[in-house]
Amino acid sequence: EVQLVESGGGLVQPGRSLRLSCTTSGFTFGEYPMTWVRQAPGKGLEWVGSIRTKPYGETIEYAASVKGRFTISRDDSKNIAYLQMNSLKTEDTAVYYCLRGRKNLDYWGQGTLVTVSS
Amino acid sequence: QSVLTQPPSASGTPGQRVTISCSGSSSNIGSNSVYWYQQLPGTAPKLLVYSNNQRPSGVPDRFSGSKSGTSASLAISGLRSEDEADYYCATWDDSLSGPLFGGGTKVTVL
Repeated sequence: EVQLVESGGGLVQPGRSLRLSCTTSGFTFGEYPMTWVRQAPGKGLEWVGSIRTKPYGETIEYAASVKGRFTISRDDSKNIAYLQMNSLKTEDTAVYYCLRGRKNLDYWGQGTLVTVSS
Repeated sequence: QSVLTQPPSASGTPGQRVTISCSGSSSNIGSNSVYWYQQLPGTAPKLLVYSNNQRPSGVPDRFSGSKSGTSASLAISGLRSEDEADYYCATWDDSLSGPLFGGGTKVTVL
């Protein structure tokens, strides 16, 4: 069974940093690109960024709203994807989901809430 | 504001058929596959339809997707109370170089 479990969310002050993890199981992690998507309270879904697999150079793409502040990485030996979030703003408050895939997004994690507030 | 346009709401009585539209452009729906997700209250989205009209294992055949040109739609036939949820369309956008989501449609069963 494919499982994705996010962790690392919480309350953080504006300007601070937070790192989210997405621990996976049930599939060959290294064969799949991974994507992060967020959902602000009461709002729709917004793509954050995606990381490709090793054969594709682990190329990373970011949404304009987070580029330069957020960094996505992966550890294929641990089957974990990461989202490092720096210089957080109040508008980054959202539930953050990790997803399997890049163009074909099939499985979602349960999400982790990040609240940016002073 | 999403580039993929969905109606904010749709409704029907039990047993009825409800259709949700998703309008895009040549850089997204016009050249890529469309996906549909169902988000039940308080839960993560779940894949409902992939590659325009394919259902993952376990998704009832009451749910069907279609695509024509730069638009797509999701139909729910035999509407049931447990279908009350938010529904999102999504596709790859060649200009964005990333996936794009519609604004979501809240389906209410009257």
